[in-house]
Order: sequence, then structure tokens, then C-alpha cells
Amino acid sequence: DVKVTQSSRYLVKRTGEKVFLECVQDMDHENMFWYRQDPGLGLRLIYFSYDVKMKEKGDIPEGYSVSREKKERFSLILESASTNQTSMYLCASSLLGVRSVRFITGELFFGEGSRLTVL
Amino acid sequence: DAKTTQPPSMDCAEGRAANLPCNHSTISGNEYVYWYRQIHSQGPQYIIHGLKNNETNEMASLIITEDRKSSTLILPHATLRDTAVYYCIVRVPRKIQGAQKLVFGQGTRLTINP
Repeated sequence: DVKVTQSSRYLVKRTGEKVFLECVQDMDHENMFWYRQDPGLGLRLIYFSYDVKMKEKGDIPEGYSVSREKKERFSLILESASTNQTSMYLCASSLLGVRSVRFITGELFFGEGSRLTVL
Repeated sequence: DAKTTQPPSMDCAEGRAANLPCNHSTISGNEYVYWYRQIHSQGPQYIIHGLKNNETNEMASLIITEDRKSSTLILPHATLRDTAVYYCIVRVPRKIQGAQKLVFGQGTRLTINP
């Protein structure tokens, strides 16, 4: 079975702390994503990566950075946590279609989520 | 990517078919329709996707109108475990090396009642 594992389900951190959220997938997927989910705002894309050491900004990258040193692992980093970063963070992965083919597979696989509270 | 409109909430009796509508009147010819759902306190789960033909898998059926301006997700025999928020997403598959960027709207909160 497909598996996306996020390191922590619940975290409580203090303002100014550095926070690492880890995500590991076991499906050999090229693409990995970090979203955050907030009531009334839906899922918003923070960063994504389509290859090792490659990353691209999503819609709300401010205050975040990412690291993709290995294909199976995608880390989200909050350099200095702030209260407005209290949220549910969701990691996802997907296959990159063969580049000569016109389309990319539609299926995203999500982890269980990490609920971060910044005090 | 085309914008979608879904009702904010729906109810369905257990054992009956749940029909979830989605309007995407600005959809373009090469955009696909995707459905995901999110059960409380879990990550979203892929259900099904299609281009213009009706699709069926072990979870659901997807009916897309001939003009492709709307679609319906059908859960044929809803159970209590189908209670979730259902998201309809329309997008064009990316040809570039870029990733599968899905934009999630507010979705429909489906409640299955015993």
C-alpha cells in the first residue's frame, strides 16, 4: 500500500523556535508537496519539489523553507515560528509522468497531517 | 485552472446513493475533473478523476455532462465512514517538469445519517 508518513501528528512550539516537519514516502514518487490547511481557507500550497534538491514556491511560501536531500524525504522548516503559523500541515506525493507524455497522473497521496500549535 | 462550485453541505441516509454535484462552467477542453475527500483529522484521499467519459472505480462513479460544465460524484451505497468533506478540482495536467499542483476549494461537507 502507498504510504506517506509525517513525523509528528501533534506539535506545540513557542514563538521564535525553529520547527522541522518531516515527510517520508515509500512509493518512489518524484513529486512531493507541503500544504497547510486552515478553517475557511482550504488547503494552500506552501512549497513543492519535483526532484531531489529541486524546490519551487507554492502560493504561500513566506516564513517557510524546504529541503529535499533524498527522493523519499521532504522536510518543511519554519526558521522562526510565529503564532500565525499555527495550522494543520499536510504532506503529499505523486508520480511525475513520463516527460514525453502529455499529462501527469492525477493522484496525490497525502499523509495524516501534522497539527502545529505555536504559542 | 477552472473554478469549481460545490454546495457547502449535504446529507444522505446510510445505504442510499450519495450524489455530489460540482459546477465547472469555465472548464477548458484539456482540463480534468478530480475528486478527493477528507475525513475528519486525516489527510485528503484521492477518489477518482476523468476527462469527458464517465468513470467508475471501487470507491465511486464520476458522471461528467456532455458539455463538461458540471459533474456528479456518486457513492452508490453510502456508509457512515463516507462522512467527509468532498473536493471537486478541475485542472489541466502539467506538461512541464513542474509538479501536480492541485488547488482545493471549500468542498462539500457530506454527512451520512444512520
